[in-house]
Amino acid sequence: SQELEQSPQSLIVQEGKNLTINCTSSKTLYGLYWYKQKYGEGLIFLMMLQKGGEEKSHEKITAKLDEKKQQSSLHITASQPSHAGIYLCGVGHYGGSQGNLIFGKGTKLSVKP
Amino acid sequence: DAEITQSPRHKITETGRQVTLACHQTWNHNNMFWYRQDLGHGLRLIHYSYGVQDTNKGEVSDGYSVSRSNTEDLPLTLESAASSQTSVYFCASSAFLAGVGELFFGEGSRLTVL
Repeated sequence: SQELEQSPQSLIVQEGKNLTINCTSSKTLYGLYWYKQKYGEGLIFLMMLQKGGEEKSHEKITAKLDEKKQQSSLHITASQPSHAGIYLCGVGHYGGSQGNLIFGKGTKLSVKP
Repeated sequence: DAEITQSPRHKITETGRQVTLACHQTWNHNNMFWYRQDLGHGLRLIHYSYGVQDTNKGEVSDGYSVSRSNTEDLPLTLESAASSQTSVYFCASSAFLAGVGELFFGEGSRLTVL
């Protein structure tokens, strides 16, 4: 089965600094999703990448899917306290449970004012 | 606005009791899912449904059951709660029938089994 490994597991940055979170898959990625979870709340969809080399941005967050489609990165520019939370990558699970997502374990981001 | 709601948001119960967590969505989505989130394990799929009267087991289905009698609701039942089922439970829904699309998540239900 496909597994997603996220790095780092946790991250503390000073407000205003840039940061990158990585998501590496054991198999080729077909539809890579990024979600954000605020503490004690549900997951909020950020963006989805499908094509090798694809890059998408939402406000100050940019996600990329590498050409070989086995790794994605999430980059935050000029971090703010509102960026704090848990970031999870997810991949579509084909086969027996088609239509749902398998998730990485998440990266916990703290932003110090 | 369409939404997905879970209840209760917090529950404490005793070992051996039956517990039901409710999930209600107003998007008219065919697909509904239940996940549990635990430290060190991330999100794991418990059960899912692609439509009325359809239910399927996920990765960690033992000790849980679901039923789908209408489009809007997918209640999750713990037949005999165990301490290992202490977790945060998330319900999600999506519209896509083929392939994968965006999942919309509820706010979560925190369950403690004593």
